[in-house]
Amino acid sequence: QKEVEQDPGPLSVPEGAIVSLNCTYSNSAFQYFMWYRQYSRKGPELLMYTYSSGNKEDGRFTAQVDKSSKYISLFIRDSQPSDSATYLCAMIPITQGGSEKLVFGKGTKLTVNP
Amino acid sequence: DSGVTQTPKHLITATGQRVTLRCSPRSGDLSVYWYQQSLDQGLQFLIQYYNGEERAKGNILERFSAQQFPDLHSELNLSSLELGDSALYFCASSVLGSSSEQFFGPGTRLTVL
Repeated sequence: QKEVEQDPGPLSVPEGAIVSLNCTYSNSAFQYFMWYRQYSRKGPELLMYTYSSGNKEDGRFTAQVDKSSKYISLFIRDSQPSDSATYLCAMIPITQGGSEKLVFGKGTKLTVNP
Repeated sequence: DSGVTQTPKHLITATGQRVTLRCSPRSGDLSVYWYQQSLDQGLQFLIQYYNGEERAKGNILERFSAQQFPDLHSELNLSSLELGDSALYFCASSVLGSSSEQFFGPGTRLTVL
């Protein structure tokens, strides 16, 4: 079983739809959770970062973490064609030595159709 | 623009060769990370440096090595290249200790023929 599972999609939605992206994880040591957006042939861009269970909102984006279920989500409201990209969840485990290596999901490819 | 720069953007080379990828972190960031992205494996952590010292190792092959210099830029050296080493290589940087936010560079696309 992979440490981080993410449905690769692809996911296709009409403009204005609410998008829900999800990841599950198996390692209880994961304490920091991030969502990155990656456009084709570009570097990942940090969208959301959180370390506690609950919701965090930033504009049209909401990140949700449920540590008891080992489940994180990213919601995109009023989706736009410019949101078309691959979305990657990422997590950092707490380790001795303080390394902050990211463990990524495989990414979900999202297309928002005008 | 994340503030992290990587050179070159593209690299085409032959099997058995050696290449060097370069990364300059954001101003003020002390920590540099290297990641490899391939279609089948996704983004995989390779190695981390903090203020010139190796901090953590991931799935990095023995043929690969890295270092961080006093001016904090980093280089990833890939030797005895194989076809399977073709991938996107990303560098990220962060201010270790005050934030876990890692900012990625634009990547170097390596093609091994």
